[in-house]
Amino acid sequence: GAGVSQSPSNKVTEKGKDVELRCDPISGHTALYWYRQSLGQGLEFLIYFQGNSAPDKSGLPSDRFSAERTGGSVSTLTIQRTQQEDSAVYLCASRPGGPGELFFGEGSRLTVL
Amino acid sequence: AQRVTQPEKLLSVFKGAPVELKCNYSYSGSPELFWYVQYSRQRLQLLLRHISRESIKGFTADLNKGETSFHLKKPFAQEEDSAMYYCALSGRGGSNYKLTFGKGTLLTVNP
Repeated sequence: GAGVSQSPSNKVTEKGKDVELRCDPISGHTALYWYRQSLGQGLEFLIYFQGNSAPDKSGLPSDRFSAERTGGSVSTLTIQRTQQEDSAVYLCASRPGGPGELFFGEGSRLTVL
Repeated sequence: AQRVTQPEKLLSVFKGAPVELKCNYSYSGSPELFWYVQYSRQRLQLLLRHISRESIKGFTADLNKGETSFHLKKPFAQEEDSAMYYCALSGRGGSNYKLTFGKGTLLTVNP
């Protein structure tokens, strides 16, 4: 596709369940980012992948959060034992390696009941 | 550590009035600064970056290293400028390409 694709666009889950959010970056983009967007908190950095380097996981809020990127392309963000405070829009973005514009997906809206 | 501060959560102006969205940053090296915008029901997109020194949609932003600021300005606001604006900072090189965002300013331009 032409842009960053995320799925699902909406996810409602019960507290305690695990969820997986998927990101398909723009073809050829070696850098991939995950952010969390919530009211009053803006965009919180979660994790950053760059090529084959070890990811920068410094923004993951707890060990319930993890992410992987297979084959340098698709990425999955996993939240285990979801809590109500995990409710937010999770944004994925990609760019070619190095500095420059980030291209964002439309986000996955997660609601934890 | 890198930090971006946008002191105003909300900013409301009338059409035709000047607008300034404030952004201050903290970074020990030489940063790259950006403004991103999110219009209603659209995805987040780049508005401008300081190294381009461009004017996009009438907006400009000058990097002031002495004041560690990167304020976004437009002399005459339009209703279509109503959106959420995020200031962002990136380091240069290696793992420093993590992009840190401020909490955003919601701009409303009234008719």
